[in-house]
Amino acid sequence: SQTIHQWPATLVQPVGSPLSLECTVEGTSNPNLYWYRQAAGRGLQLLFYSVGIGQISSEVPQNLSASRPQDRQFILSSKKLLLSDSGFYLCAWTLRRTYNSPLHFGNGTRLTVT
Amino acid sequence: GENVEQHPSTLSVQEGDSAVIKCTYSDSASNYFPWYKQELGKGPQLIIDIRSNVGEKKDQRIAVTLNKTAKHFSLHITETQPEDSAVYFCAALMDSNYQLIWGAGTKLIIKP
Repeated sequence: SQTIHQWPATLVQPVGSPLSLECTVEGTSNPNLYWYRQAAGRGLQLLFYSVGIGQISSEVPQNLSASRPQDRQFILSSKKLLLSDSGFYLCAWTLRRTYNSPLHFGNGTRLTVT
Repeated sequence: GENVEQHPSTLSVQEGDSAVIKCTYSDSASNYFPWYKQELGKGPQLIIDIRSNVGEKKDQRIAVTLNKTAKHFSLHITETQPEDSAVYFCAALMDSNYQLIWGAGTKLIIKP
């Protein structure tokens, strides 16, 4: 069966520090990968998605970047965190080339920028 | 741009009663509509989905109805239980780029 791992679960970082969140998927090949952000009590905002190694699409301009160095690895980064980067970050995957395939989420990383 | 509106934002029901959450969407070409449940501190989990070739789908106490003409779909939970307390999100798949457009979420509270 497929599983998705996200770490760390929680993170407290000072303003101006770098960020690296990692996500890996097991049990499937060639997934579409996604990074979402959820502000407290709010909905889901798509940040990045990837349909293959090195292929990243950005949905909103921001202080963050994403990379996909391997087929089942997706990394969210920042060189200098802002207070507004605080939130709950979720990684997700779907089957590639499958129309309306369900989205499977990890358990998220709660980031607090102080 | 395309959007999905979800109502209500908060819903409080007595244990054992039914709960209904409604969503409307703007992209008339959308034809896939999933519902997700998010428990505190966890990622959303798919609970049911519906495709536009059917009008209703049931899975035990959960059902989803779709009205393509009116561009709205609803989640129905019957005989609610304490473990149904969570935030529920609806979404619609955009036909143009196959990305999900999300509703803002409904916090469902089940009162004992």
